[in-house]
Amino acid sequence: EAGVAQSPRYKIIEKRQSVAFWCNPISGHATLYWYQQILGQGPKLLIQFQNNGVVDDSQLPKDRFSAERLKGVDSTLKIQPAKLEDSAVYLCASSPRPLAEDYQETQYFGPGTRLLVL
Amino acid sequence: SQELEQSPQSLIVQEGKNLTINCTSSKTLYGLYWYKQKYGEGLIFLMMLQKGGEEKSHEKITAKLDEKKQQSSLHITASQPSHAGIYLCGADISSGNTGKLIFGQGTTLQVKP
Repeated sequence: EAGVAQSPRYKIIEKRQSVAFWCNPISGHATLYWYQQILGQGPKLLIQFQNNGVVDDSQLPKDRFSAERLKGVDSTLKIQPAKLEDSAVYLCASSPRPLAEDYQETQYFGPGTRLLVL
Repeated sequence: SQELEQSPQSLIVQEGKNLTINCTSSKTLYGLYWYKQKYGEGLIFLMMLQKGGEEKSHEKITAKLDEKKQQSSLHITASQPSHAGIYLCGADISSGNTGKLIFGQGTTLQVKP
């Protein structure tokens, strides 16, 4: 079974530029997550999708970040305009079943996109 | 302060030695996940614990969740260079299985041959 795919793997941009990241989750996975991991810290959840709907985006800086999951499969995360503090690894994860109260679902992570904003 | 604290922050051990990494929260951990990360790569799932007192093992790695579900430990027996990396604990601290994981800051493990 193929894992979570992300592209690009690396991106260097100047501040105020725009950038987009792409994620292809494991086939059939209902729930998709975007995390931001700043160097030396654990990942921080940005947004959570179930199928093509947003479940939680409370930690997404909506003045500059946007994300979508068209057709409930692939997802893109965009930053416009980028700031120096956006330099981080952006991780995409997916889990098989829709969220439900009676079970926990393991999240499977992609390799991440490393962003450097100069 | 972190909602999920890991200790130690870093660890250097000689190959063959045992080691333990701890993950502590002041809140109930409804789902506790251990992941391993190598520099520049994504997170590799190791184990998930849900019930108080639960213990799981895979090869030489054992993870436990205490009865109160506020602390977990990851124990590696007879460490090898392949165990080197960053170990992260992640947890769902919201009842109802929200899927919203918070993570500790990670423990960097080096294993000297």
